[in-house]
Amino acid sequence: DGGITQSPKYLFRKEGQNVTLSCEQNLNHDAMYWYRQDPGQGLRLIYYSQIVNDFQKGDIAEGYSVSREKKESFPLTVTSAQKNPTAFYLCASSPRDRSTDTQYFGPGTRLTVL
Amino acid sequence: RKEVEQDPGPFNVPEGATVAFNCTYSNSASQSFFWYRQDCRKEPKLLMSVYSSGNEDGRFTAQLNRASQYISLLIRDSKLSDSATYLCVVGSTGKLIFGQGTTLQVKP
Repeated sequence: DGGITQSPKYLFRKEGQNVTLSCEQNLNHDAMYWYRQDPGQGLRLIYYSQIVNDFQKGDIAEGYSVSREKKESFPLTVTSAQKNPTAFYLCASSPRDRSTDTQYFGPGTRLTVL
Repeated sequence: RKEVEQDPGPFNVPEGATVAFNCTYSNSASQSFFWYRQDCRKEPKLLMSVYSSGNEDGRFTAQLNRASQYISLLIRDSKLSDSATYLCVVGSTGKLIFGQGTTLQVKP
């Protein structure tokens, strides 16, 4: 089946630890995105990548890092520098490298900092 | 002012009712418009794109008014399964901007 997968579904982290969230797609999409969703708020863009080996900061990139070594994969690392990391993290992809095109989402990872 | 604004609701309606959601956006140069549906604790899923001429998909009708910078979603004959949060999404300044969502609860 074609789609976007994220793992893990739930993640618990101690303060001061870095964690990496996985995002994989087999849709052959060029562009991939990471969003954060907090209760009662819209999605906020963390990072996006329009092509392999290139990525751009979104609106709230501080405390996060990404890589795009393969077209299929776009992992997000939440570093200890992120002040309030507890949130629902969503990965998305779109067929072309236009950020205003339709995006398709993975099932998300819920990160809780203990 | 938020770039994309929606009434958060909740909208509580009986089965069979017609309900309309509105959304306004601030950037007049916005290029693309969508409605997404998000179920509780799940990912958003594309409901429909919104075109300048308006478009319909079964019980759902979307309208765009560029002059007023306004998008609407009409749901006719509401079903229990329509209960969800509906996100207004606007493509602007090289990215998608998501509204906070409008929650719909359809009751028997």
